[in-house]
Amino acid sequence: AQSVSQHNHHVILSEAASLELGCNYSYGGTVNLFWYVQYPGQHLQLLLKYFSGDPLVKGIKGFEAEFIKSKFSFNLRKPSVQWSDTAEYFCAVNEGRGNTDKLIFGTGTRLQVFP
Amino acid sequence: DAGVIQSPRHEVTEMGQEVTLRCKPISGHNSLFWYRQTMMRGLELLIYFNNNVPIDDSGMPEDRFSAKMPNASFSTLKIQPSEPRDSAVYFCASSLTKEQFFGPGTRLTVL
Repeated sequence: AQSVSQHNHHVILSEAASLELGCNYSYGGTVNLFWYVQYPGQHLQLLLKYFSGDPLVKGIKGFEAEFIKSKFSFNLRKPSVQWSDTAEYFCAVNEGRGNTDKLIFGTGTRLQVFP
Repeated sequence: DAGVIQSPRHEVTEMGQEVTLRCKPISGHNSLFWYRQTMMRGLELLIYFNNNVPIDDSGMPEDRFSAKMPNASFSTLKIQPSEPRDSAVYFCASSLTKEQFFGPGTRLTVL
């Protein structure tokens, strides 16, 4: 069965620090990859997605992620975090060639940014 | 579009009562998902529908939980009887082309 691993459960940073959150998945075929963000008390919102093409994907709010097929990874990055980035971040994968929209989510990474 | 709509936003009930959560997906979306989120268990997929048909209900905790999708614009998740351990935030999401759009959630508290 597919699985998604987010090894960083809790990350604490100061404002302006750089961020990288790890995401690894287990499926060996074609995949669609997503990062969602959940701000405190809110629902999940899409940050960025990868379906095909350029493996470096740019999303909203200055976030980007790089798909490295050989490493089964899709790490999220931001060069300089802000206090408003405090949230929980979820990586998710979908079987690209399948006819289902079901996503497999990682367990999430809680990011705290201090001023 | 208004996005995914869920009601109620908050529900407080007593153990043993029936609870019904409602979801209206984004118009034109053909897949609908029900999730449960708790601190202890994180985000769990309960069930999902494609073209109003339940495809995978392996995440439904037990027979107390049931979900229906009578038409393309409405789905319900019912818990009967409810128990304190059902307290959680329940999210509905819909999709058309892989990307899922989440509703605001229903925060359920069972006393």
